[in-house]
Amino acid sequence: DTEVTQTPKHLVMGMTNKKSLKCEQHMGHRAMYWYKQKAKKPPELMFVYSYEKLSINESVPSRFSPECPNSSLLNLHLHALQPEDSALYLCASSHPPTGVNEKLFFGSGTQLSVL
Amino acid sequence: AQSVTQLDSQVPVFEEAPVELRCNYSSSVSVYLFWYVQYPNQGLQLLLKYLSGSTLVKGINGFEAEFNKSQTSFHLRKPSVHISDTAEYFCAVSDRGATNKLIFGTGTLLAVQP
Repeated sequence: DTEVTQTPKHLVMGMTNKKSLKCEQHMGHRAMYWYKQKAKKPPELMFVYSYEKLSINESVPSRFSPECPNSSLLNLHLHALQPEDSALYLCASSHPPTGVNEKLFFGSGTQLSVL
Repeated sequence: AQSVTQLDSQVPVFEEAPVELRCNYSSSVSVYLFWYVQYPNQGLQLLLKYLSGSTLVKGINGFEAEFNKSQTSFHLRKPSVHISDTAEYFCAVSDRGATNKLIFGTGTLLAVQP
């Protein structure tokens, strides 16, 4: 199994809603990532978890709350989002973060629209 | 801090023609370099990477890239493209000392025409 699975594929939410994005991998990777990609733009790193601990937070607003309940799962909790948060949210994973990060495996993303 | 520049936002090319997608990087430390491809409505897939050793690296789908330290470049090439190569291509750089952080360029849309 070399897949990173993200659900849902599409999500429409209002600014007062609370929703969660989910990401799952069964490759034994111990580093997991959230990226945000606006249309026609490159992915931008949001968060990195290493061995289920948050290791990087790229100054992301608190309305985005990541969670890594175990080594296979990564969640992104959303609350009180703004329309400018509409984007493709990509999850990725890689082998242990010590040493060379040779390859990120990306999911297909969740396309989020905030109304 | 590192940065990546992809000067060409779009490269149109006819099928079976050669193509080169340009990538230049800036860094005060040694880096690793990557090319990723993103097909419509998909996540990113690694094409190839340069970590050390030979400066010419070969990847999947017939792509190759050459690391040029003096010119701080890592251009991607393919001798003969197919319609199926139409996609967005991202060059990326990673600090050797902080390998969890991948910085992407702005991307180049390769548009292969019949």
